[in-house]
Amino acid sequence: EDKVVQSPLSLVVHEGDTVTLNCSYEVTNFRSLLWYKQEKKAPTFLFMLTSSGIEKKSGRLSSILDKKELSSILNITATQTGDSAIYLCAVRGEYNNNDMRFGAGTRLTVKP
Amino acid sequence: EAQVTQNPRYLITVTGKKLTVTCSQNMNHEYMSWYRQDPGLGLRQIYYSMNVEVTDKGDVPEGYKVSRKEKRNFPLILESPSPNQTSLYFCASSLEVAGGFSFRHNEQFFGPGTRLTVL
Repeated sequence: EDKVVQSPLSLVVHEGDTVTLNCSYEVTNFRSLLWYKQEKKAPTFLFMLTSSGIEKKSGRLSSILDKKELSSILNITATQTGDSAIYLCAVRGEYNNNDMRFGAGTRLTVKP
Repeated sequence: EAQVTQNPRYLITVTGKKLTVTCSQNMNHEYMSWYRQDPGLGLRQIYYSMNVEVTDKGDVPEGYKVSRKEKRNFPLILESPSPNQTSLYFCASSLEVAGGFSFRHNEQFFGPGTRLTVL
């Protein structure tokens, strides 16, 4: 059965720390992996990854995909309290005609 | 403003009373989807639609119906709600082109969410 597993489930750090969030997947006919940030409302898009080894970067956030290991990491450097959120990983495959499968999320708390 | 809207945002109802949660997008997106979010389980896809009159089951379709009569609207129908359908529901949409595989084709835009409580 297709699945997406994120780790850790929860993480508490202090401002300025660097964090690495993990996402591993088993999906039929992988197409893309997406990262979302969810604060108190709807998820907002961060990155989409389709090719191994190419890092996507946006400010202090970066992400990379490893299709051989069936995984991706999301890095956040110099964390700030505003980074506190649930980070969701989703994988798009061709199972059942293009559905989207989400992991359970990693809850990141950044303390001042 | 490009957006996905959902109504109502909050709803408390009783078991068995039919309800509909509306979803509308103004971005001319082909792909629309419904998710429910429960603690510890993340977002789970209920139904999705690749285009008008085309709908497919996601991971957790039981107890739900959808329709896609127009491109912009994708209502979620609970014919006989039960307490286990108490959840936070999100509608999402994205631009899709057959065979397309670029950035814009996979980013989903989410609605603000509907918090449903079934007593």
